[in-house]
Amino acid sequence: GAVVSQHPSWVICKSGTSVKIECRSLDFQATTMFWYRQFPKQSLMLMATSNEGSKATYEQGVEKDKFLINHASLTLSTLTVTSAHPEDSSFYICSAIQGLSTYNEQFFGPGTRLTVL
Amino acid sequence: KQEVTQIPAALSVPEGENLVLNCSFTDSAIYNLQWFRQDPGKGLTSLLLIQSSQREQTSGRLNASLDKSSGRSTLYIAASQPGDSATYLCAVNGNQFYFGTGTSLTVIP
Repeated sequence: GAVVSQHPSWVICKSGTSVKIECRSLDFQATTMFWYRQFPKQSLMLMATSNEGSKATYEQGVEKDKFLINHASLTLSTLTVTSAHPEDSSFYICSAIQGLSTYNEQFFGPGTRLTVL
Repeated sequence: KQEVTQIPAALSVPEGENLVLNCSFTDSAIYNLQWFRQDPGKGLTSLLLIQSSQREQTSGRLNASLDKSSGRSTLYIAASQPGDSATYLCAVNGNQFYFGTGTSLTVIP
């Protein structure tokens, strides 16, 4: 099946610094990728939809200037958490759709655990 | 806005039992529904994908059904094993992807 990777798998940073998380589709091209966050013992919440070559679409309540998304190629999307604070500590998961249709199956990355001290 | 609910929130069964996990959603205008498994601290593993035109999908000991008109899906696990212990999430794909609240399953040896 289609494989999606994330890097890093975990990161610890100081408050005020920025952290970049990469999401790659390893064996397929992904026009659309999604970024989710998950707090402990809670379900996944969609943060934004990332489209190759265009601006990301953010969900209500998600600050686009804080969570910068770049989808520069058909196999890579990045999420940068700018000026991170302890409340940004969470599990961030990306997914990618194989093909052009949003009806297609989503394949998820293994997630990145961010801890902000 | 789509709301996805999973019942029960937690379930503990002895090994070998058959079990059913439930997922309900409020807006029946969906394209497909997926069931996932998530192990602690890990990402999601896709188990089954059911398109809106389908009634069920099977993979090994897993069987998922979909009744779009009533907004319900079930995941049936036959002959449960300790390795099945995980959190199971359903997600519906409409205008966007909405995840359920999850069912935490523990299979006792």
